Amino acid sequence: GNSVTQMEGPVTLSEEAFLTINCTYTATGYPSLFWYVQYPGEGLQLLLKATKADDKGSNKGFEATYRKETTSFHLEKGSVQVSDSAVYFCALTSTSGTYKYIFGTGTRLKVLA
Amino acid sequence: DGGITQSPKYLFRKEGQNVTLSCEQNLNHDAMYWYRQDPGQGLRLIYYSQIVNDFQKGDIAEGYSVSREKKESFPLTVTSAQKNPTAFYLCAAKIGAGANVLTFGAGSRLTVL
Repeated sequence: GNSVTQMEGPVTLSEEAFLTINCTYTATGYPSLFWYVQYPGEGLQLLLKATKADDKGSNKGFEATYRKETTSFHLEKGSVQVSDSAVYFCALTSTSGTYKYIFGTGTRLKVLA
Repeated sequence: DGGITQSPKYLFRKEGQNVTLSCEQNLNHDAMYWYRQDPGQGLRLIYYSQIVNDFQKGDIAEGYSVSREKKESFPLTVTSAQKNPTAFYLCAAKIGAGANVLTFGAGSRLTVL
């Protein structure tokens, strides 16, 4: 079945450091891929998405590229801020209309001033 | 503003009691979901509904029940049959068919005393 694997946290960085959070997936066909962010005590918010191979999703300085050949969707940001501290979830959904989303276990990011 | 409202934000329950979590949306979205979030385990799907008066079990439906009598509302009942109900519960919705973005509520934290 479909699955998502993301790197375990926590990830601790200094402000202005470069961020990479790895995400790989297993799926049949061509799923859509998402990154969601969760701030403490809140629900998840969409950060970015990509719906086909080689698409690059971007938002608020974060980027991720849909790599079909390596089944990956790694999240990157060139210069993190303290306000980026949160839990980040990689997710996929099949395009076959099953309405089911698969989430990774989440990666906690802590940015120190 | 359009969105998803979950209530209550915090709920305490004694063992053996049923409790109902509310989820209301004014987005006019067709599909609604309930997820359970536990530390280090990501999100697990409890139930989902694609249209009014129809719903399907997710991966961990045992001990839970739902109804979908109105498009706007998708309440979740945590019954006494759920052996470990203490968790953070998230409601989500999306427009309809296709790989669309999930919009989440702010969540409800249930604690069993």
